[in-house]
Amino acid sequence: EPEVTQTPSHQVTQMGQEVILRCVPISNHLYFYWYRQILGQKVEFLVSFYNNEISEKSEIFDDQFSVERPDGSNFTLKIRSTKLEDSAMYFCASSEASGSYEQYFGPGTRLTVT
Amino acid sequence: GQNIDQPTEMTATEGAIVQINCTYQTSGFNGLFWYQQHAGEAPTFLSYNVLDGLEEKGRFSSFLSRSKGYSYLLLKELQMKDSASYLCAVREGWVSGGYNKLIFGAGTRLAVHP
Repeated sequence: EPEVTQTPSHQVTQMGQEVILRCVPISNHLYFYWYRQILGQKVEFLVSFYNNEISEKSEIFDDQFSVERPDGSNFTLKIRSTKLEDSAMYFCASSEASGSYEQYFGPGTRLTVT
Repeated sequence: GQNIDQPTEMTATEGAIVQINCTYQTSGFNGLFWYQQHAGEAPTFLSYNVLDGLEEKGRFSSFLSRSKGYSYLLLKELQMKDSASYLCAVREGWVSGGYNKLIFGAGTRLAVHP
C-alpha cells in the first residue's frame, strides 16, 4: 500500500539553526500538508499546499517557516531559525484530488531544539 | 471560533463496546474524520462522515449529526491493540476541494484492559 514517508525520523538542532524536514507524499496525490504535535498536545495544522503554492496557513506558520516542492516527489518544511518552542513532532500528510479527501499521514519527524 | 471537545480518557474491557463522543463548533464544516494514534506514531485514518447518519466499517462505526454538531466513534469487540488515542477532526472550509485543513480535537486516550 502506498504511504507517505518522512526523513529524518529524529532531528536534534541548536536554537537559531535552520532545519529542513523532508517528506515524500503518495505519488498520485495533489494536496500536501504539514501538521505539528507538541508532546502531550493536539495535532495542529500548519500549512496546506496545492498546485505549487500555499493554499492556507495557520497563525503558527510565520515568516520563519517555508514550504517547497523542489521536484516531482519531495515536499519540504524549512524552519529558518529554530526556537525551543519549535520542538515537536512534525507530520506531513497528502490527499487525492477527489473522493473522501482522506489525508494520509507520514510517520513524523521528531524535532528537538536545544 | 473553533472548538472540538472529546473526553480526555476512557477505559473499557476487552471484548466490550465503547463509544467515544465528539462535539464541535467550527466556522465551516466539510466533513468529520476519526483517526487512531498510538503513542509516538502518526494518526491513521479510521472513518469519515460528511452526511448525517452512521458509517460502518468492520468493528468501527462512526455517526454524525450536523445539526447537533455531534459525532461518535463506536468500537466493538474491543481488543488490547485498540488501546490508543482516538482523534476527532473536522475538515473546515466552505470550498469543495482536497486542500481543506483538518482541525483536531485533543484526542481521547482509550485503555483496554483484560
